[in-house]
Amino acid sequence: KQEVTQIPAALSVPEGENLVLNCSFTDSAIYNLQWFRQDPGKGLTSLLLIQSSQREQTSGRLNASLDKSSGRSTLYIAASQPGDSATYLCAVRPGGGATNKLIFGTGTLLAVQP
Amino acid sequence: DVKVTQSSRYLVKRTGEKVFLECVQDMDHENMFWYRQDPGLGLRLIYFSYDVKMKEKGDIPEGYSVSREKKERFSLILESASTNQTSMYLCASSLWGRDEAFFGQGTRLTVV
Repeated sequence: KQEVTQIPAALSVPEGENLVLNCSFTDSAIYNLQWFRQDPGKGLTSLLLIQSSQREQTSGRLNASLDKSSGRSTLYIAASQPGDSATYLCAVRPGGGATNKLIFGTGTLLAVQP
Repeated sequence: DVKVTQSSRYLVKRTGEKVFLECVQDMDHENMFWYRQDPGLGLRLIYFSYDVKMKEKGDIPEGYSVSREKKERFSLILESASTNQTSMYLCASSLWGRDEAFFGQGTRLTVV
């Protein structure tokens, strides 16, 4: 059974710092992996989607990497800003017949201090 | 931009009521999903639909049903609301099952 873990559960950094959020999954047979951002009481905003054949994706100050064989993904945020404060979730889409389903980690709560 | 719109941000219902949560997407996506999100449990899939009038159970379908009469609209129905269905409900859509998923703003349902 696929399980997704995000460590740490919470992170506080000063503004301007570069940071890395971690996501690990137990079954390397995935179709893709997606990173989301969630503000308090709100829905999820898609940040980056990495297909299983890709190693990384970039969007602005965000860079996501994927190492399928080791079951790991990282989200790198450069020059963090207070507006980056949110919960960050990763989700994997299993390979095989269950590709309609996203399996989520429980998230990392990020606080960027001004 | 893809837009997924949920009909209510907040709902308060009484135990035993029939509750409808509505979701509409504007990008002609084939697939639509309902998740619930609870502290410490993360997001769990309730139901999904890959075509009009087609549906499949997710991980926690008990106590819920769904309806997809039109491609753009996916409804979640709580036949008889119970307090353990108090949660944040999130609707999502994607063009195909394997594609990027887009979420609505969420509905915070409280059953009293």
